[in-house]
Amino acid sequence: EDQVTQSPEALRLQEGESSSLNCSYTVSGLRGLFWYRQDPGKGPEFLFTLYSAGEEKEKERLKATLTKKESFLHITAPKPEDSATYLCAVHRSSGSARQLTFGSGTQLTVLP
Amino acid sequence: ETGVTQTPRHLVMGMTNKKSLKCEQHLGHNAMYWYKQSAKKPLELMFVYSLEERVENNSVPSRFSPECPNSSHLFLHLHTLQPEDSALYLCASSQNRDRGSRGYTFGSGTRLTVV
Repeated sequence: EDQVTQSPEALRLQEGESSSLNCSYTVSGLRGLFWYRQDPGKGPEFLFTLYSAGEEKEKERLKATLTKKESFLHITAPKPEDSATYLCAVHRSSGSARQLTFGSGTQLTVLP
Repeated sequence: ETGVTQTPRHLVMGMTNKKSLKCEQHLGHNAMYWYKQSAKKPLELMFVYSLEERVENNSVPSRFSPECPNSSHLFLHLHTLQPEDSALYLCASSQNRDRGSRGYTFGSGTRLTVV
């Protein structure tokens, strides 16, 4: 059974204080690892897709990396508007539809 | 506007009511999904509809009934719900067999409260 574990559950940072979120996964035949951002009262919004170990993607203050067992979302010099819940999900090789298994998320609060 | 529209945004219903959630996507995607999101828990896949298959999570109670009349519309019919069914219900769509993919595009969800 696929498993995705995110840590920490919650993280409070001061503005400008860099940190990393972790996503550990167990999946048979990884076809992609996804990061989403979710603001309160809204649906998750796509950030990154990673496909193979060693791959990295960047967008503004965010950088996602992937190893064979985990992914990190690095946040450099965060701002209050980066406050959100960050979700990680994996897609494995099975079936035709893209079924994703999600972690519980990390709730990030960036204080001014 | 995300391209996936869910209505209503909020719904309060009694345990004996029957209601339906609606989802519509304007992205030309060929798969649609229902997920349940409860506080402090991972998103739980309920149903999948794609061109080739329909997938159900066997742990979803029969009081939830999906309907997908075409590739752009998805419904979730609700009847005799329980208070523990209160959650955010998210609809998503995707384009399958596309490796350069964003995974899913989500709607904003329907916040369901069962009283």
